[in-house]
Amino acid sequence: SQTIHQWPATLVQPVGSPLSLECTVEGTSNPNLYWYRQAAGRGLQLLFYSVGIGQISSEVPQNLSASRPQDRQFILSSKKLLLSDSGFYLCAWSVTRGVEKLFFGSGTQLSVL
Amino acid sequence: RKEVEQDPGPFNVPEGATVAFNCTYSNSASQSFFWYRQDCRKEPKLLMSVYSSGNEDGRFTAQLNRASQYISLLIRDSKLSDSATYLCVVKPFPAGSASKIIFGSGTRLSIRP
Repeated sequence: SQTIHQWPATLVQPVGSPLSLECTVEGTSNPNLYWYRQAAGRGLQLLFYSVGIGQISSEVPQNLSASRPQDRQFILSSKKLLLSDSGFYLCAWSVTRGVEKLFFGSGTQLSVL
Repeated sequence: RKEVEQDPGPFNVPEGATVAFNCTYSNSASQSFFWYRQDCRKEPKLLMSVYSSGNEDGRFTAQLNRASQYISLLIRDSKLSDSATYLCVVKPFPAGSASKIIFGSGTRLSIRP
């Protein structure tokens, strides 16, 4: 069966520090991968999605970047965090065979202070 | 107009009641529809897909109205454990294509004893 791992679960970082969040998927090949952010009490905002190694689509201009160095690995990064980067970050995967459904990792609660 | 809109609630209903909420979408070419459930500080989890003919899963019934561009979720005999935020999800491109999946902001449901 497929599983998705996302870490860390919580992170407190000072403004201006770098960020690296990692997500890996097991049990499937060539998944679509997604990074979402959810601000407190708000909906999910799509940040990036990827349909293959090295292929990244950015949905909103921002202080963040994403990379997909391996088929089942998706990394969210920032060189210098802003206060506004605080939020709940969710990695997700899907496959396009049949009806495409999203499955989420357990999320990272990021607080930038 | 937002691509996917939901009444944020909260809906506060007694245990055992029937509750329904809708979600409207703006892209008439949308192909796939889902309801997700999200508990506080947790990742969204797939509750059910929504099919054109409507579908039922235990106490949950989902309906799709393409003419009016909305989907609905009906919960019968509500339980305390149904308290959560329910997210409407729409895939605006044909199934099988690599594309983004759009989330509504969610409807909060609170079941009281």
